[in-house]
Amino acid sequence: AQSVTQLGSHVSVSEGALVLLRCNYSSSVPPYLFWYVQYPNQGLQLLLKYTSAATLVKGINGFEAEFKKSETSFHLTKPSAHMSDAAEYFCAVSATNTGNQFYFGTGTSLTVIP
Amino acid sequence: DTAVSQTPKYLVTQMGNDKSIKCEQNLGHDTMYWYKQDSKKFLKIMFSYNNKELIINETVPNRFSPKSPDKAHLNLHINSLELGDSAVYFCASRHSDIYNSPLHFGNGTRLTVT
Repeated sequence: AQSVTQLGSHVSVSEGALVLLRCNYSSSVPPYLFWYVQYPNQGLQLLLKYTSAATLVKGINGFEAEFKKSETSFHLTKPSAHMSDAAEYFCAVSATNTGNQFYFGTGTSLTVIP
Repeated sequence: DTAVSQTPKYLVTQMGNDKSIKCEQNLGHDTMYWYKQDSKKFLKIMFSYNNKELIINETVPNRFSPKSPDKAHLNLHINSLELGDSAVYFCASRHSDIYNSPLHFGNGTRLTVT
């Protein structure tokens, strides 16, 4: 079975500071990992996805994530936070043995302080 | 525009009523989903259809009934609405035969039961 844990339900950073959102996964087979962003009153939008081609994945809006198998982690980072980054972020995992099932973390709310 | 579209965006109704939410995708995907997002932003999968066939049916009250007339449409009908049904309902779709295919979400339907 697969699962995802997002540490920190709320993260606050100053504008211009590093953003680090944590995601740890559990999977019995090689996972496919995703980060989604949800702005207020909108649906979830794909930020980036890991598909085993490269461990460092670049996404939209300057975000990137690094897959670390030894740590079972897929943390999301951005070097410099912008006010427009304030949103809810979700990590998700799927795998070949789960058919069409996605497992989402509980989300991390990012606040950017001016 | 290519997208997953849901109607209505907002739905306010009284307890005991029956209501439907419609979803359409023009991305050529073969699998569609309904997710429920509660007030704490937790995402719970409800149903999934692949080529009009129900493949995921989570523990959901049988007052909720999905219907897929074709692989581009997935509707959700809710009978005898209860206060606890208040939430945001998201439709999503993806390619099932591409393992790393991400979910594409609609913008959600905010259901308020009074």
